[in-house]
Amino acid sequence: GIQVEQSPPDLILQEGANSTLRCNFSDSVNNLQWFHQNPWGQLINLFYIPSGTKQNGRLSATTVATERYSLLYISSSQTTDSGVYFCAVVPWAGANSKLTFGKGITLSVRP
Amino acid sequence: AAGVIQSPRHLIKEKRETATLKCYPIPRHDTVYWYQQGPGQDPQFLISFYEKMQSDKGSIPDRFSAQQFSDYHSELNMSSLELGDSALYFCASSLTRQGDAKNIQYFGAGTRLSVL
Repeated sequence: GIQVEQSPPDLILQEGANSTLRCNFSDSVNNLQWFHQNPWGQLINLFYIPSGTKQNGRLSATTVATERYSLLYISSSQTTDSGVYFCAVVPWAGANSKLTFGKGITLSVRP
Repeated sequence: AAGVIQSPRHLIKEKRETATLKCYPIPRHDTVYWYQQGPGQDPQFLISFYEKMQSDKGSIPDRFSAQQFSDYHSELNMSSLELGDSALYFCASSLTRQGDAKNIQYFGAGTRLSVL
């Protein structure tokens, strides 16, 4: 099946700093979603971005489908940004639409 | 906007007991997914339903079963619970264009199951 690799596995930031989170995938995808899992376990949809660039406030994401990677940018980080960030994909091949998740990136933002 | 509703939010069971988790998808969504997330792990796909029919199956134990009802809500039934079943169980829903896997999956808040 498709492989999803996220890096770095852990990230510690000072409040106000910027960061870039990376997601590499091993095959063509027609669905890519970024999630933030907060300390209470809730999975929050950040972006649906199988290709192109999107922005939402301090967050933005870019997926370069031809090179099989996606980047999530966090600017002016806040303590509430702490948590685990997951990238999840659905490959083009096959008829199913289940999401395959990466292992996640644990972000800690310190005041 | 309406979201995916899961109940209960927390569940504590003893080994060998049974558990039933419920999921109410976003209105008019036609596909429901179940995922299991163990401690420190990423969510793993269990099973999905499209228009009340099972559409895909992942690494779901034989002790688990699921179905989608006429009102589109879904239930995950878990029997002979084991300690290793302790996890966060997510339900997600999407509006799937037939023959097209481009769909946004929206996740519920999850059910945290603890097996003692």
